[in-house]
Amino acid sequence: EAQVTQNPRYLITVTGKKLTVTCSQNMNHEYMSWYRQDPGLGLRQIYYSMNVEVTDKGDVPEGYKVSRKEKRNFPLILESPSPNQTSLYFCASSLNPVGSYEQYFGPGTRLTVT
Amino acid sequence: GQQVMQIPQYQHVQEGEDFTTYCNSSTTLSNIQWYKQRPGGHPVFLIQLVKSGEVKKQKRLTFQFGEAKKNSSLHITATQTTDVGTYFCAGPHNTGFQKLVFGTGTRLLVSP
Repeated sequence: EAQVTQNPRYLITVTGKKLTVTCSQNMNHEYMSWYRQDPGLGLRQIYYSMNVEVTDKGDVPEGYKVSRKEKRNFPLILESPSPNQTSLYFCASSLNPVGSYEQYFGPGTRLTVT
Repeated sequence: GQQVMQIPQYQHVQEGEDFTTYCNSSTTLSNIQWYKQRPGGHPVFLIQLVKSGEVKKQKRLTFQFGEAKKNSSLHITATQTTDVGTYFCAGPHNTGFQKLVFGTGTRLLVSP
């Protein structure tokens, strides 16, 4: 089954404790993105990747890191989480650039930073 | 910066009533996408519109892209409880197709 998976689905952590949210897709898609969703703000793109080892900043990259060492995986790293990073996070993948082709979203990771 | 706004933020209708959400961009868009997110779920792609003035239908859903390619609408005829969710429009960032700018979303609640 074609899908995007994320882990963990729920995470409660404390300020400053490094964490990684994993994302994997089995559709051989070139393009992957991370979004955060906050009430009233819609989805905002954090980082995106066009291929292995090729990543770039989205609209809200501060406080986040990503890597793309394999085509299928695109982990999101919070080196020193802060409470303002409490949010719902989605990973997505697409066959072509996200602005021209449909994206497939993962189930989401709800992160709480205390 | 580039902004995509949607109105209304929230609408509660009785089953069988029609519903419309409007999407307005601060910049001209080369195309517009629509996604639906069920409560507790993830966004799911519905459709993409590319041409100025384009109208597409999917059963009870009608999507329009404005002539100036700065606005779009989604109209649902005779809503059903299965239509409950948040509807988002999204368009390419003005810096290129690698980035997508989502609208603020319209949450639809349908009462039986």
